[in-house]
Amino acid sequence: NAGVTQTPKFQVLKTGQSMTLQCAQDMNHNSMYWYRQDPGMGLRLIYYSASEGTTDKGEVPNGYNVSRLNKREFSLRLESAAPSQTSVYFCASSVGRNTGELFFGEGSRLTVL
Amino acid sequence: RKEVEQDPGPFNVPEGATVAFNCTYSNSASQSFFWYRQDCRKEPKLLMSVYSSGNEDGRFTAQLNRASQYISLLIRDSKLSDSATYLCVVNSGGYQKVTFGTGTKLQVIP
Repeated sequence: NAGVTQTPKFQVLKTGQSMTLQCAQDMNHNSMYWYRQDPGMGLRLIYYSASEGTTDKGEVPNGYNVSRLNKREFSLRLESAAPSQTSVYFCASSVGRNTGELFFGEGSRLTVL
Repeated sequence: RKEVEQDPGPFNVPEGATVAFNCTYSNSASQSFFWYRQDCRKEPKLLMSVYSSGNEDGRFTAQLNRASQYISLLIRDSKLSDSATYLCVVNSGGYQKVTFGTGTKLQVIP
């Protein structure tokens, strides 16, 4: 069972470049999320999609956009990468509304030079 | 005061020892609580939910103290494989109200 799959696992960008992180889940979950994790800080919510067709901002949405392509897929786009976006990004999903019970992908390590 | 606070550790304990971590939260209206385990350079994985009456899963016991606003995780008979960072998660209602602690690092030594 794949669960939540993220690609790419690693990426190095130059300042100003764009990229899209892809996420897919095969658990038939309704809600999906993008978090970032930085040293000394808890995971912070970037964007979430409560259900197919809806997306909403989380705690740190600036510099990001998302697309809920269908029930399975939720992508995160950096239009013009900045060094402050160097982080580990995790996609997650939950059956329904976010109670705190989440299933995470393996993470994507992004470095912006 | 941070919404969720954890002692970062590291807690270095010998195999077989019992170790306990606490996690304090600031919002008295918080509704649900969880412990996650995160291995180095891996994703967080749900370890256990924390129920009001306390709950146990093998060597792991989780407790909630609403009066003092903290949750705890007790690990008995520590194994080398328990070495990881333990994250507490507090839900205060709604998608944007799920807060992760920064984690407590546990190192079990032979």
